[in-house]
Amino acid sequence: GAVVSQHPSRVICKSGTSVKIECRSLDFQATTMFWYRQFPKQSLMLMATSNEGSKATYEQGVEKDKFLINHASLTLSTLTVTSAHPEDSSFYICSALRGYHDTGELFFGEGSRLTVL
Amino acid sequence: EDQVTQSPEALRLQEGESSSLNCSYTVSGLRGLFWYRQDPGKGPEFLFTLYSAGEEKEKERLKATLTKKESFLHITAPKPEDSATYLCFLTDSWGKLQFGAGTQVVVTP
Repeated sequence: GAVVSQHPSRVICKSGTSVKIECRSLDFQATTMFWYRQFPKQSLMLMATSNEGSKATYEQGVEKDKFLINHASLTLSTLTVTSAHPEDSSFYICSALRGYHDTGELFFGEGSRLTVL
Repeated sequence: EDQVTQSPEALRLQEGESSSLNCSYTVSGLRGLFWYRQDPGKGPEFLFTLYSAGEEKEKERLKATLTKKESFLHITAPKPEDSATYLCFLTDSWGKLQFGAGTQVVVTP
C-alpha cells in the first residue's frame, strides 16, 4: 500500500529555534498534501493545504509566517516552525492525497512530536 | 454551517460486545466520507472511504455504512486490539476537509 513518511518522529528544541518537518509520499506522486496539528486527546486540526509548485493555503487562525510550508516536489512537503515557543509544542501530522479530492485517498504520516523547551 | 459530529465521544466495550459508532454530517455536497483509526502517538490509519448513500464496506470486524445524513462504523465482536480512536471526516463539494472529533474506543478482555 501507499506509504507516507514523516521525519523526524520526535524533536526537542530550544525556544527561539526553527524546526523543519518533512513529509514524503514514498510510492506515489502527491500534488496535494495537508498539514495538521493535534493536541492531546483531540482530533486533527487542519493547518494548511500544500499544493506542489504553488503557495500553501492556510486555515483561518494559522500564522503563515510562523508555519512555513514548502511543497517543492510531487513527493515532498516540508513544514518549518519558525522561532518556536513552548506553545508550539504539539503533534504535527501530514497527509498526502493520491488521486483527486472526490475519488482519492488520504494517506497519513506517522506524525512528528515537537517539544519546545 | 457545515458540521461533522461523531458520537459517542468515548465507548468502553467488553471483548465480543458489538457496537456502532456514529458520524453525522451536514455539508453542502458530500464527495467522500473517510473512516480512520488512530492509535496514541501515531498517525491515522486508513479504514474506508464511502462515496454515496447506501454504500457499505467491510474489513474484518468493521463495517461502514453511509446514508445521506450519517455514517455508521459497526464493530462486530471487538477484540482488545480494536481499541483506538476512530476518526470520521469528509470532503465537501468544494474539496474542503471537514473533521469529526473522534470516538475513543476501549475494548477490555
